[in-house]
Amino acid sequence: NAGVMQNPRHLVRRRGQEARLRCSPMKGHSHVYWYRQLPEEGLKFMVYLQKENIIDESGMPKERFSAEFPKEGPSILRIQQVVRGDSAAYFCASSALSGSTDTQYFGPGTRLTVL
Amino acid sequence: GENVEQHPSTLSVQEGDSAVIKCTYSDSASNYFPWYKQELGKGPQLIIDIRSNVGEKKDQRIAVTLNKTAKHFSLHITETQPEDSAVYFCAASIGTYKYIFGTGTRLKVLA
Repeated sequence: NAGVMQNPRHLVRRRGQEARLRCSPMKGHSHVYWYRQLPEEGLKFMVYLQKENIIDESGMPKERFSAEFPKEGPSILRIQQVVRGDSAAYFCASSALSGSTDTQYFGPGTRLTVL
Repeated sequence: GENVEQHPSTLSVQEGDSAVIKCTYSDSASNYFPWYKQELGKGPQLIIDIRSNVGEKKDQRIAVTLNKTAKHFSLHITETQPEDSAVYFCAASIGTYKYIFGTGTRLKVLA
């Protein structure tokens, strides 16, 4: 049973470019969460999605950031016009249930470097 | 706002000794407390969790205790081994799906 998959594992972008991070949840999971981790810090919640729905985007910056989880295919976190401050590790997690707090399983992350 | 405090930020122990990491949370409604281990360059891996209706849970060399009254929970690793060296994060649930993470503890097990 494959775990949470993320790609690319490393992404380098120049300022002003777009970054697209992809996440495939564990088999049987329909809930996806995105977190950002700065060096030497904990994980900060960004957004929670179910298939075709954004449930909670309270942790995601209003400008330049967007997320989707289409009916088919992986969840995508998109960062437009990247700036140096966007450099971080971005982790995706997935869970099976809603309604009660369910365990989230994390992927290996995408390390974004903005030059 | 809600937050989780984690101590210590770094911990060095001799191989075979025990390690204890402590967390305090602020939201009295939190009811789920997972612990994650993160190795360099990897994603967080769940190692143990506890729900609010239980005071203690053990899995081989790892145990977690929860004191709901004091809003404290702790991770205990016994008979530490070099492969236990990593960064450990505690988390507390907020509502039905959101986690607030502690700032992490870098554990070094010295051979």
